[in-house]
Amino acid sequence: AQKITQTQPGMFVQEKEAVTLDCTYDTSDPSYGLFWYKQPSSGEMIFLIYQGSYDQQNATEGRYSLNFQKARKSANLVISASQLGDSAMYFCAMREDNDYKLSFGAGTTVTVRA
Amino acid sequence: DADVTQTPRNRITKTGKRIMLECSQTKGHDRMYWYRQDPGLGLRLIYYSFDVKDINKGEISDGYSVSRQAQAKFSLSLESAIPNQTALYFCATSETGSGTQYFGPGTRLLVL
Repeated sequence: AQKITQTQPGMFVQEKEAVTLDCTYDTSDPSYGLFWYKQPSSGEMIFLIYQGSYDQQNATEGRYSLNFQKARKSANLVISASQLGDSAMYFCAMREDNDYKLSFGAGTTVTVRA
Repeated sequence: DADVTQTPRNRITKTGKRIMLECSQTKGHDRMYWYRQDPGLGLRLIYYSFDVKDINKGEISDGYSVSRQAQAKFSLSLESAIPNQTALYFCATSETGSGTQYFGPGTRLLVL
């Protein structure tokens, strides 16, 4: 079964606006971690933000914030004040604490328009 | 300098050839991983290693082998390359106890 689902294959956003990327996950493990990575057209995978399942507050890192809704099993990424350099593919991933690997979603392509 | 490096960055090879992809890290992490990325499928784990003497298969290990030569080096081999191994290959590292993985720049492999 798919552990990470990203339902938006592609999105357009106007420069300086906010954009929300959806991510839902499936696990029965009470302890897990959720991650977002950015992949620009050059190909590298850049770690953006992490949320632990027991964290009480939503994670934030600069213009990135993670909207964590545990009961709904969602971990949406919000990018505020979009910049042209935010155009990239974004991947949601999960690591269950009884496992060793990251399970990745299929990704969402974000295109920022000037 | 990059913390996780991969060589080569691009490679074209022919069916049946043996090829090795190399990964080095200066982060001091114990754990290292090899993933492949195909369009529309995200990343999938090929092999992982928790230390020099601990190597394990991931979800798609068939057709691949690995070697952990040192804590900082983890290489991936395709013994006899086939066209459906054409993909973007990533090496990643993490600290023991931390889930966050840090990726190298990737190797684009084309098997003709």
